[in-house]
Amino acid sequence: SQKIEQNSEALNIQEGKTATLTCNYTNYSPAYLQWYRQDPGRGPVFLLLIRENEKEKRKERLKVTFDTTLKQSLFHITASQPADSATYLCALYSSASKIIFGSGTRLSIRP
Amino acid sequence: GAGVSQSPSNKVTEKGKDVELRCDPISGHTALYWYRQSLGQGLEFLIYFQGNSAPDKSGLPSDRFSAERTGGSVSTLTIQRTQQEDSAVYLCASETRWGNTEAFFGQGTRLTVV
Repeated sequence: SQKIEQNSEALNIQEGKTATLTCNYTNYSPAYLQWYRQDPGRGPVFLLLIRENEKEKRKERLKVTFDTTLKQSLFHITASQPADSATYLCALYSSASKIIFGSGTRLSIRP
Repeated sequence: GAGVSQSPSNKVTEKGKDVELRCDPISGHTALYWYRQSLGQGLEFLIYFQGNSAPDKSGLPSDRFSAERTGGSVSTLTIQRTQQEDSAVYLCASETRWGNTEAFFGQGTRLTVV
């Protein structure tokens, strides 16, 4: 079955630095991969979608890459701010066309 | 409504009781998902409805769990004979069409079984 893994459970970085989160997947080649943000006590909120034929996608301070050879996506937040502190989830559409999620990375940006 | 609505927001129930959790998706969204999230954990897939197709129930953890979606809109997740390990946040999400758009989540129902 398809598996999606986010290697870091938690990541702490200094404000202003670039945060890089990793998402790996196995046993499948998804056509799309998504990233969501989840704040405590709230449902996840969609951030970015990247397609298999797109190497990179940007939105403001966010950048996502998609390497179908490595079966990996990287999520970058540049010029990080304390307000970026949250849990970030990657997700893909499985072969059964349902969305499955990684376990998330809890990002903390310290002033 | 403007977004996905779930009710109740919080539910405390005694072990062994049945509970029903409700989800009102965004109007016109054909796909609807239920996920479970235990404290500090990721989202565990439970069930997926897409249009008039048979639901994908592969994530339901036991036969105590069931869900239905009436008229292609509102969905109810039912847990029978609740156990303490059922305590979690139950999240519902909907999306517009097959496979390549974002999912919109509700705020979740926090279920506590005592």
